[in-house]
Amino acid sequence: KNEVEQSPQNLTAQEGEFITINCSYSVGISALHWLQQHPGGGIVSLFMLSSGKKKHGRLIATINIQEKHSSLHITASHPRDSAVYICAVRETSGSRLTFGEGTQLTVNP
Amino acid sequence: ETGVTQTPRHLVMGMTNKKSLKCEQHLGHNAMYWYKQSAKKPLELMFVYSLEERVENNSVPSRFSPECPNSSHLFLHLHTLQPEDSALYLCASSLLGWGNTEAFFGQGTRLTVV
Repeated sequence: KNEVEQSPQNLTAQEGEFITINCSYSVGISALHWLQQHPGGGIVSLFMLSSGKKKHGRLIATINIQEKHSSLHITASHPRDSAVYICAVRETSGSRLTFGEGTQLTVNP
Repeated sequence: ETGVTQTPRHLVMGMTNKKSLKCEQHLGHNAMYWYKQSAKKPLELMFVYSLEERVENNSVPSRFSPECPNSSHLFLHLHTLQPEDSALYLCASSLLGWGNTEAFFGQGTRLTVV
């Protein structure tokens, strides 16, 4: 069992829908990252969180340290949001990042 | 464009070939990483270089040989690979101690071993 679990694994939405992707982890962490990977392979860092909530444009990321859970929300989704979204955590016990398997999001026009 | 450039973008090589992957960044970062991404699997950390010294080798077979000649360049030398080594190889860079700072990724090299 991976220490970082994402759900759902695959998500299909219609343009304009509100989207939520979840990430649960089982270890103590010092930071959590949300990454976006487009079909070409390149990865972009979206957020780095250690508490609370961050917002960037239509993207919102939240984290609940007590519940070991984070969510990534996309408002007014668009086909260009179609990508794999990856959650990664930095454990407090080490310097390594542990990655989730990713959520494949497809937004249809 | 993230500021991290990987070449080539695609590579097909035979099992007896020797090839190298290149990664370059001019972001002023002092840590660089090689990751492997296989289908349906999480990203796997292969190597970490910090201030041009290898600080982590994540049990990677010796047929993969990294080189970091300076803080802006990172290479992954490949020889006698196996078909199961076919994957997307991603380079990333960050200020020291990624995990608590953001990292920037290259576009990756899609490697196929035939």
